[in-house]
Amino acid sequence: DARVTQTPRDKVTEMGQEVTMRCQPILGHNTVFWYRQTMMQGLELLAYFRNRAPLDDSGMPKDRFSAEMPDATLATLKIQPSEPRDSAVYFCASGYSENTEAFFGQGTRLTVV
Amino acid sequence: DQQVKQNSPSLSVQEGRISILNCDYTNSMFDYFLWYKKYPAEGPTFLISISSIKDKNEDGRFTVFLNKSAKHLSLHIVPSQPGDSAVYFCAAKKVSGTYKYIFGTGTRLKVLA
Repeated sequence: DARVTQTPRDKVTEMGQEVTMRCQPILGHNTVFWYRQTMMQGLELLAYFRNRAPLDDSGMPKDRFSAEMPDATLATLKIQPSEPRDSAVYFCASGYSENTEAFFGQGTRLTVV
Repeated sequence: DQQVKQNSPSLSVQEGRISILNCDYTNSMFDYFLWYKKYPAEGPTFLISISSIKDKNEDGRFTVFLNKSAKHLSLHIVPSQPGDSAVYFCAAKKVSGTYKYIFGTGTRLKVLA
């Protein structure tokens, strides 16, 4: 049963600390998305990659957030330094065609205190 | 600027009746639309999609209607079941040239037994 795997599931950290969230996309999928879920904005697109190349990260605060795909099996989202307003659930999703749906992981719930 | 809007944050429906979830969009370039369902502590899962060349797509109890002139789509669930209680997100994108899904803020559906 293929699925997108995200780690950690939950993360509590102190303001100012670095946070790294990891995602293993479904094998064979060539597109990876990072979304953030907040009450006010719903699911916000932060960044997405196609064939490991970043295509759009316009939704991401550039000064503290960074997203990478070191290889086809791993995507990372890093926040440095973290702030309380970054507290949210972060989802990774992957897909293999622009005409099909994206498959989501279970999310990383981040709490910055 | 919220390009995809779900103006009803919540909806309650009796079991067996019809649930109608609504979604409006502002970008006339969107030509592919999806609905996702999300249970607590899980990632969104794909439910149904519709291309702009159609005005209706049906899958079992779920039907999506698209009104391009009004820039409006709706999801009908008939009959509603308690297991349908979840948050429903609509999403939109341009099929050509981008993999970027824009999501609404979600509608929480509660089906009462």
